[in-house]
Amino acid sequence: DVQLVQSGAEVKKPGESLKISCKASGYSFTSNYIAWVREMPGKGLEWMGIIYPGDSQTRYSPSFQGQVTISVDKSITTSYLQWSSLKASDTAMYYCARSSSVLDGYDWFDSWGQGTLVTVSS
Amino acid sequence: DIVMTQSPDSLVVSLGERATINCKSSQSVLYSSNNKNCLAWYQQKPGQPPELLFYWASTREFGVPERFSGSGSGTDFTLTISSLQAEDVAVYFCQQYCATPLTFGGGTKVEIK
Repeated sequence: DVQLVQSGAEVKKPGESLKISCKASGYSFTSNYIAWVREMPGKGLEWMGIIYPGDSQTRYSPSFQGQVTISVDKSITTSYLQWSSLKASDTAMYYCARSSSVLDGYDWFDSWGQGTLVTVSS
Repeated sequence: DIVMTQSPDSLVVSLGERATINCKSSQSVLYSSNNKNCLAWYQQKPGQPPELLFYWASTREFGVPERFSGSGSGTDFTLTISSLQAEDVAVYFCQQYCATPLTFGGGTKVEIK
């Protein structure tokens, strides 16, 4: 079975850095893009960007370009989402999701992680 | 960006009755290469991540009950639950994947009357 297991909830202060993870199993990790999706209360779901584990190629939504970094360590089948300086407005649930990868990463998502709640507050 | 607008925001339906959710895109999501629509539907139950229901607007994901159906083309799409069950209480989202950035509808919350 495909599984994406994310790291636990985080509480951080504005200005701090953070890296959350998404551990994949049950499939060939380098064959599918991994996407990151933000869910803010009352604001629905927002696609942040994708990474191809095979070559670490990343593509970001313009809304998130320069705000976060998506990376991958294929030796441990894990993708990461990181911030260098958090803001209160980064408070949200973050999901990783496996792209079906039929359309070169711009696809539907056929498996999701359980989500990581990030709270940024002074 | 392609804006996805869902209606209604919430829906209260009796058990066994039909639930209909609409999703409208600000531009066509028809994928010319295969003449299919780049539209997916997800179900998100309380406290859980979204789960895929349909892709290409009407292709049912493995394991999705047949009481769920997806339809539509171009800019107008519908998710129908033919006979609502208690376990269908959830928020339902549409998503387009024809153009970047990929975008989601705002969600429709389905509750039992």
